[in-house]
Amino acid sequence: ILNVEQSPQSLHVQEGDSTNFTCSFPSSNFYALHWYRWETAKSPEALFVMTLNGDEKKKGRISATLNTKEGYSYLYIKGSQPEDSATYLCAFLSGSARQLTFGSGTQLTVLP
Amino acid sequence: GAGVSQSPSNKVTEKGKDVELRCDPISGHTALYWYRQSLGQGLEFLIYFQGNSAPDKSGLPSDRFSAERTGGSVSTLTIQRTQQEDSAVYLCASAISGLNYEQYFGPGTRLTVT
Repeated sequence: ILNVEQSPQSLHVQEGDSTNFTCSFPSSNFYALHWYRWETAKSPEALFVMTLNGDEKKKGRISATLNTKEGYSYLYIKGSQPEDSATYLCAFLSGSARQLTFGSGTQLTVLP
Repeated sequence: GAGVSQSPSNKVTEKGKDVELRCDPISGHTALYWYRQSLGQGLEFLIYFQGNSAPDKSGLPSDRFSAERTGGSVSTLTIQRTQQEDSAVYLCASAISGLNYEQYFGPGTRLTVT
């Protein structure tokens, strides 16, 4: 069983604040790390797929970094807006796996 | 639109009945995934198709669950003799190819077993 942990479990920030959260995964046999955003009553939406150690990806105000040697990825949101309120999921793929293992998510609430 | 579609959106069934859930992936996507989310739980992988083949069925919870994909397109997830613990949202996703590509999710089917 692969252990993918996300922290914090939930987070409340004020509009305009920048925030970040963590996804931890096994540091051996890494293949890919996915980030998804899941708004209530909608489907999960892909943010990033990261495959290389040191990778940094950006989409608007959201960015992510990847450290495969130590087994973590950070997701950053700059200048949070209420529409950023969602659960952010990471999912790990090992080289030998035939499935993604999802973390339990970080639930972000941005207060106006 | 050209996204992933699932039907039905909601299904209420009596314990012991069989149900069939359908997923239409994005045209041209060779990979298709089924997940479920039970109340208060995270996303649970069920099965993955590459083309019409399912390399990994290890996530299917019991032998009451089966899935097939025909023509490299539509997939059906069948649950036989449903139990109350099968109540969940069943999500389908597709990807252009394998597991290192981003997945596009459908709206889900909410299954309630009474």
